[in-house]
Amino acid sequence: EVQLVESGGGLVQPGGSLRLSCVASGFTFGSYWMSWVRQAPGGRLEWVASLNQDGTEKYYVDSVKGRFTISRDNAQNSLYLQMNSLRAEDTAVYYCAKHRYDFLTRYYEYYFDFWGQGTRVPVSS
Amino acid sequence: DIVMTQSPDSLAVSLGERATINCKSSQTVLFSSNNKNYLAWYQQKPGQPPKLLIYWASTRESGVPDRFSGSGSGTDFTLTISSLQAEDVAVYYCQQSYTTPSITFGQGTRLEIK
Repeated sequence: EVQLVESGGGLVQPGGSLRLSCVASGFTFGSYWMSWVRQAPGGRLEWVASLNQDGTEKYYVDSVKGRFTISRDNAQNSLYLQMNSLRAEDTAVYYCAKHRYDFLTRYYEYYFDFWGQGTRVPVSS
Repeated sequence: DIVMTQSPDSLAVSLGERATINCKSSQTVLFSSNNKNYLAWYQQKPGQPPKLLIYWASTRESGVPDRFSGSGSGTDFTLTISSLQAEDVAVYYCQQSYTTPSITFGQGTRLEIK
């Protein structure tokens, strides 16, 4: 059974830093693209960052570029999100998500077939 | 960025009746080279993460009941639940993956029982 378990969230002041972790099990973690997606209090989902299998391709939404860093440790089946210079608008539940693999095309799609339960990050003074 | 707009924002349907949710993209998500619409639907129940229901606009994810169906092409898409069950109460989101990696989601449609 695929499981993704996030941790590391918590109240942080504006300008502060936080490191989120996501531990994966039930699939060959090192073979999959992974992403972070956040959900603001109003409910809107927003893609944050994506990372390929060996960590050499990283992509970010414009609003977090230069502040957030996505990384992974395949030996530990873990995905990370280092968040610096946090702002009030970063307040959200952060989910790690597994990309769907299309066995026919052998392509990793930007559809997310498994999500963690999320970790809450309130940014407030 | 492609803006995804769902309608209605909320919907109340009687058990056993049909529920229809619409999603409109600000530009086409149909890739002409493979004739695929880069559009997915997710279901999010209270206190749970989103769950992938449909991708390529009309392909059901494994294990999703066949009362869920997706249709549409280009910029206009529909998620239909043919016979609403109590467990279908949720917020539903559409998502485009045409402009990967900069994917975007709709604002969500809340589905309730009338």
